[in-house]
Amino acid sequence: TQLLEQSPQFLSIQEGENLTVYCNSSSVFSSLQWYRQEPGEGPVLLVTVVTGGEVKKLKRLTFQFGDARKDSSLHITAAQPGDTGLYLCAGGDTNAGKSTFGDGTTLTVKP
Amino acid sequence: GAGVSQSPSNKVTEKGKDVELRCDPISGHTALYWYRQRLGQGLEFLIYFQGNSAPDKSGLPSDRFSAERTGESVSTLTIQRTQQEDSAVYLCASSLPTPRRQFFGPGTRLTVL
Repeated sequence: TQLLEQSPQFLSIQEGENLTVYCNSSSVFSSLQWYRQEPGEGPVLLVTVVTGGEVKKLKRLTFQFGDARKDSSLHITAAQPGDTGLYLCAGGDTNAGKSTFGDGTTLTVKP
Repeated sequence: GAGVSQSPSNKVTEKGKDVELRCDPISGHTALYWYRQRLGQGLEFLIYFQGNSAPDKSGLPSDRFSAERTGESVSTLTIQRTQQEDSAVYLCASSLPTPRRQFFGPGTRLTVL
């Protein structure tokens, strides 16, 4: 069974601070996705990383996929209240339809 | 439609009753997925459809859970003899065969009293 562990589980910071959340597994994934979910809504895809060592930037968000394709991180620079939400990582397998999700990091950015 | 839709948005039922949850995927998306999300947690995979066949139903928790899909369209998730531990948000997603970017619906919040 492939498992993804996310840390920290909860994070509360002030507007303007930087933060990093982590997604770790003992299994290799062919791809890894990061989602953001707001209350009452389904998750929305932020990025997919595929290549070991890959770094992708999306405005103030930087995503990194580990060299061994077992772990990933999401770094947010100068966090804003609009970044508040549940951040989920998910590992994909090109031979299977499903994705394996971590339990998420609940981020609260206070103004 | 423009996105994945699910109905009902909320369902309150009594323990022991059967419930049926509906998912309308994005038109043209051949793949459809059902997940369960307990409060404050990640998504737990239930079942995956490719067209109207289900190559992976490994996540269904028990034989009280079943799902069907009509062609490459609507899917229904049925929970028989509901239990309190079935209370959760049930999320549906759809995707093209490749790339498998999943688009999620807003979910159905199920409460079993």
